[in-house]
Amino acid sequence: QSALTQPASVSGSPGQSITISCTGTSSDVGSYNLVSWYQQHPGKAPELMIYEVSKRPSGVSNRFSGSKSGNTASLTISGLQAEDEADYYCCSYSHISSNWVFGGGTKLTVL
Amino acid sequence: EVQLVESGGGLVQPGGSLRLSCAASGFTFSSYTMNWVRQAPGKGLEWVSHISRGSGTMYYADSVKGRFTIARDNAKNLLFLQMNSLRAEDTAVYYCARDDQYTFDQWGQGTLVTVSP
Repeated sequence: QSALTQPASVSGSPGQSITISCTGTSSDVGSYNLVSWYQQHPGKAPELMIYEVSKRPSGVSNRFSGSKSGNTASLTISGLQAEDEADYYCCSYSHISSNWVFGGGTKLTVL
Repeated sequence: EVQLVESGGGLVQPGGSLRLSCAASGFTFSSYTMNWVRQAPGKGLEWVSHISRGSGTMYYADSVKGRFTIARDNAKNLLFLQMNSLRAEDTAVYYCARDDQYTFDQWGQGTLVTVSP
């Protein structure tokens, strides 16, 4: 099962907006609205930021939003803040062998 | 407060075995499916294995199929990962993750497994 494709890095200045893409196939991202996004700070466990493409868990800032078009999902962070600097991973359920596939991760740098 | 606490990691030689545990608290453990996810040093996340609420269904990544076995004890709120025939490429931090409708909504802090001579 191939990993989902994410850009290796993105950057933005405080207050700006950035978007991270996550491209899969019709067997995973394109098949289900079961895409989730995780934030991971260095040395820490991942934290759920977005689930089911565009839903936010309680406690997650509304500066984080998600969307999907075809086989590509996207995470947008608006009003960038220094604490948003982290690695971000997308994930999708895949019906092939009933498993989950992650993206390779995107390092967000807040300039 | 939901807590997931992994243990059992350590240094093991290639070909060896290790059993990881994850102690769950703060929620009804038997009501949730559970997973193991790993992260090799400096690398991304990789899903490893899934187990259903009643242990009737287990799934594995191709990379560990036939070598790893997932299990749970709902009476003791424990999740396990038995790892046999370990390889250098299995070196990683192993996280247990609660699964809520195909989403990993809660994660433990991880336990490091190092496979080296």
